[in-house]
Amino acid sequence: DAKTTQPPSMDCAEGRAANLPCNHSTISGNEYVYWYRQIHSQGPQYIIHGLKNNETNEMASLIITEDRKSSTLILPHATLRDTAVYYCIVRATLESMRFGAGTRLTVKP
Amino acid sequence: SAVISQKPSRDICQRGTSLTIQCQVDSQVTMMFWYRQQPGQSLTLIATANQGSEATYESGFVIDKFPISRPNLTFSTLTVSNMSPEDSSIYLCSVERLAVGLEAFFGQGTRLTVV
Repeated sequence: DAKTTQPPSMDCAEGRAANLPCNHSTISGNEYVYWYRQIHSQGPQYIIHGLKNNETNEMASLIITEDRKSSTLILPHATLRDTAVYYCIVRATLESMRFGAGTRLTVKP
Repeated sequence: SAVISQKPSRDICQRGTSLTIQCQVDSQVTMMFWYRQQPGQSLTLIATANQGSEATYESGFVIDKFPISRPNLTFSTLTVSNMSPEDSSIYLCSVERLAVGLEAFFGQGTRLTVV
């Protein structure tokens, strides 16, 4: 059973912000929200994770709604190299990462 | 982050044979996992590699087909046994160091083609 729902694909113009949504309405109190991406022919790359507060790092920002039932990954200035499949995963500590279908983001010039 | 080395990076194998994939990490890790990614699909968890004991397999995966070893905290192997063309996939190793952080790191994968 998938714990997250993501749109299958999105486009974004180069230099603009990419906002990738994720629904996780059945998330439990001890489960974190993780984001990974997979660029073609490479292993998944960790982007960011959070529990309930918004998080920001050098790659992206993670906005989690107050009820924790959804979140948004923001790439502030998308480049062509950000074209990838983005996976939103919810899991508790010591659990394995289980991947859904993800969102295929295409950044266009 | 953890540096993960998977070998081989790719291979073409005859049906009916077996291939062992190695995963070496540059530091001790708490958890090690093996995933399969079939062409055009997402990642599917095969099993958790447990140090010094039998791996924990996910539904649909069995030890006879995918035997796994983990002799220490930095190394694991996955064997794909009695291969058929349906086993053609990318196989990925993933590791976590829970004392350091909560994120998992992935190797670059082994691209297996069975002919």
